[in-house]
Amino acid sequence: DADVTQTPRNRITKTGKRIMLECSQTKGHDRMYWYRQDPGLGLRLIYYSFDVKDINKGEISDGYSVSRQAQAKFSLSLESAIPNQTALYFCATTAGGTDTQYFGPGTRLTVL
Amino acid sequence: GQQVMQIPQYQHVQEGEDFTTYCNSSTTLSNIQWYKQRPGGHPVFLIQLVKSGEVKKQKRLTFQFGEAKKNSSLHITATQTTDVGTYFCAGRDRGSTLGRLYFGRGTQLTVWP
Repeated sequence: DADVTQTPRNRITKTGKRIMLECSQTKGHDRMYWYRQDPGLGLRLIYYSFDVKDINKGEISDGYSVSRQAQAKFSLSLESAIPNQTALYFCATTAGGTDTQYFGPGTRLTVL
Repeated sequence: GQQVMQIPQYQHVQEGEDFTTYCNSSTTLSNIQWYKQRPGGHPVFLIQLVKSGEVKKQKRLTFQFGEAKKNSSLHITATQTTDVGTYFCAGRDRGSTLGRLYFGRGTQLTVWP
């Protein structure tokens, strides 16, 4: 969905480096999510935020942190990247009152 | 915790054959959604089912929600090469917060001409 953007789209980094992935949306949605996709494992929720002051851990939050800088921006940080964090990361949004998720194009992260 | 199981993980069909993917939840769901992810793309919402026993159709795609609201299926009639991709189901547990979905692992569909 062009209304949800992610930067960077691809990133290669080394073990131990700090990495930030950014997500912006112009849909005016309150709710934002970060998912991780690995082959055969589907989409696993890392963190989600229902508004600027509300941050919640998902299924696999260890090793990650997030910041909701504004309604439209939700960033995911890896404080000290490790190789098993190599994956495809998706940001998503939903409007309040619905469950339908709109995904960004994804960020492919490789940790060497 | 809630789990959503999806089978099969992979399906290879010849163009024109039918395809079905199944989703099962360990808990009763408020609703279930289906998403499609094309190769190299991102998941895109297809449909939401809410009512027990509900059946919805989108052209060659038929979606069903079980009577107990614990299982769902997506059936594609006469597959085409444009159907290639990974299909995910995602459910919200009856007791969960609106917007908190649990995704199945997806079924990757390959269609050869």
